[in-house]
Amino acid sequence: DVKVTQSSRYLVKRTGEKVFLECVQDMDHENMFWYRQDPGLGLRLIYFSYDVKMKEKGDIPEGYSVSREKKERFSLILESASTNQTSMYLCASRGIDGTEAFFGQGTRLTVV
Amino acid sequence: AQSVTQLDSHVSVSEGTPVLLRCNYSSSYSPSLFWYVQHPNKGLQLLLKYTSAATLVKGINGFEAEFKKSETSFHLTKPSAHMSDAAEYFCVVSRRDTGRRALTFGSGTRLQVQP
Repeated sequence: DVKVTQSSRYLVKRTGEKVFLECVQDMDHENMFWYRQDPGLGLRLIYFSYDVKMKEKGDIPEGYSVSREKKERFSLILESASTNQTSMYLCASRGIDGTEAFFGQGTRLTVV
Repeated sequence: AQSVTQLDSHVSVSEGTPVLLRCNYSSSYSPSLFWYVQHPNKGLQLLLKYTSAATLVKGINGFEAEFKKSETSFHLTKPSAHMSDAAEYFCVVSRRDTGRRALTFGSGTRLQVQP
């Protein structure tokens, strides 16, 4: 069974903390994505990566960075967490052939 | 550029009646189209996908969707709603020719099923 695994289901962090969200996929996919999900807004793309060490900004990259040192792992970094980054974060991976993406279970992050 | 509009943020039906969730898209490229479902506190699950074969696509749990290029629509239907169908549904568009592009999501439709 294919899998995208996010390291935490729930996180509570303080304002100003540096936060790491980790995502691992076991499908040997080239493409990985980080989305943010907020009520009424659907999923918005933060960053994506199409190869190791490669990254591209999505629609809402401000306040975030990413790291992809290995093909299977894609990390989202909040350099200095703020309350407006309280949200559900979803990681996805997708093969080079352009078919569907596979999603992790999500990390619900609360910044207090 | 690409975008998705889900025409209803909430849809309420009675159990056993048909379901229609509406989706319009725009894309500068030949699109792939998807419907994903998200049950409460669960991840996103693929319901069905259109990637250039038959325009009427059948998915899991009795759902289907029809790709209509002239109307730029990809509406999701089911003949008879079940209580377990209550969830949020997302229509998604992407470029067909490569996986090296992100999926663009609609804002979602919450389906409520009344007993």
